[in-house]
Amino acid sequence: DAKTTQPNSMESNEEEPVHLPCNHSTISGTDYIHWYRQLPSQGPEYVIHGLTSNVNNRMASLAIAEDRKSSTLILHRATLRDAAVYYCIRIIGGSQGNLIFGKGTKLSVKP
Amino acid sequence: EPEVTQTPSHQVTQMGQEVILRCVPISNHLYFYWYRQILGQKVEFLVSFYNNEISEKSEIFDDQFSVERPDGSNFTLKIRSTKLEDSAMYFCASTPGLSQRAKNIQYFGAGTRLSVL
Repeated sequence: DAKTTQPNSMESNEEEPVHLPCNHSTISGTDYIHWYRQLPSQGPEYVIHGLTSNVNNRMASLAIAEDRKSSTLILHRATLRDAAVYYCIRIIGGSQGNLIFGKGTKLSVKP
Repeated sequence: EPEVTQTPSHQVTQMGQEVILRCVPISNHLYFYWYRQILGQKVEFLVSFYNNEISEKSEIFDDQFSVERPDGSNFTLKIRSTKLEDSAMYFCASTPGLSQRAKNIQYFGAGTRLSVL
């Protein structure tokens, strides 16, 4: 079971950091954690992914717990454009790489 | 920046009719996917395609569905006889195809909204 657990919704103020949590307690050593987001009326969009180490890119940072059972997506300064549903997806190592989406976390950003 | 292109953006059809949804994946990508999202629900995997054959399909992808890469650029999803419950957004995605599939980043199109009347 590649299920992850995320809060249904979160709120943030514009210009403030946002920490979106994800639990994946049954993760195994070769499974990757990917984050995608879906802006209103658009297709999913890749955000970031990682295996063990923390990762940074131009969009966000990904902090992976030492035991890998949880991770946190960090948006350093939320903008109104970051309002979206954020999906934490565990991809099983050696699998076909298909994305199995959950309900995700709906992030609202207040001006 | 290269992108996945889907046409049409909105397709309206009568129940029982055949529809073909079209996608142009990013040109050097090797793996292709279709997903669907019924209004208000989560995105669901339908099928993955590599080397001109289906790699994996979900339970949703029954005999009414088929996929094809008719030429070097297009990737199509055909629904043979549409039902009301096929109404959804259909997203195409592609990925370069790293050997370690779990690392692959998928690039999605904007989707085709299918309305079955």
